[in-house]
Amino acid sequence: QKEVEQDPGPLSVPEGAIVSLNCTYSNSAFQYFMWYRQYSRKGPELLMYTYSSGNKEDGRFTAQVDKSSKYISLFIRDSQPSDSATYLCAMRSSGGSNYKLTFGKGTLLTVNP
Amino acid sequence: DAGITQSPRHKVTETGTPVTLRCHQTENHRYMYWYRQDPGHGLRLIHYSYGVKDTDKGEVSDGYSVSRSKTEDFLLTLESATSSQTSVYFCAITRQENTEAFFGQGTRLTVV
Repeated sequence: QKEVEQDPGPLSVPEGAIVSLNCTYSNSAFQYFMWYRQYSRKGPELLMYTYSSGNKEDGRFTAQVDKSSKYISLFIRDSQPSDSATYLCAMRSSGGSNYKLTFGKGTLLTVNP
Repeated sequence: DAGITQSPRHKVTETGTPVTLRCHQTENHRYMYWYRQDPGHGLRLIHYSYGVKDTDKGEVSDGYSVSRSKTEDFLLTLESATSSQTSVYFCAITRQENTEAFFGQGTRLTVV
């Protein structure tokens, strides 16, 4: 079992839809969770960053972490065509030399006008 | 903008030649990383550095070496390029060991 699993999609939604993106993981030591957005031929761009369990909201984006289920989600409300990109989840454990990120493979999202 | 510059942005090279990619940061951060991104594999860590002259291997380090003689520069060298090293290479930094990473724009390398 890979440490981080992410459905690659592709996911296609109409403009204005609520989008749900998810990752599961197997390493219970992961404490820091991130979502990155990557446009075609660009570097990943940090969207959301959360520590441990709970929710975090930033504008149209909400990140959720459920450590008991080893499951994280990113919700996008009122999706826009400019949200069309690949979304990568990433996570790391804390302390010592464990500051390396482990990534999911990414989900390709297309928001249609 | 995390102040990361990768060079070159694109490179085509022949099998068996050495290649060096450069990552330059302007913010004096301690931690720097090299990743490669391939379809079906996502982002995979090649090498990382936790200070000047302090480096360690990631999950796909075979065929790669790194050097960090100054805080601002982290070099990735392919000693003898192979077609399997055709990829997009990303440099990243973290501001502290337990915070999020910021990425450069990538170097697209093709080995023919």
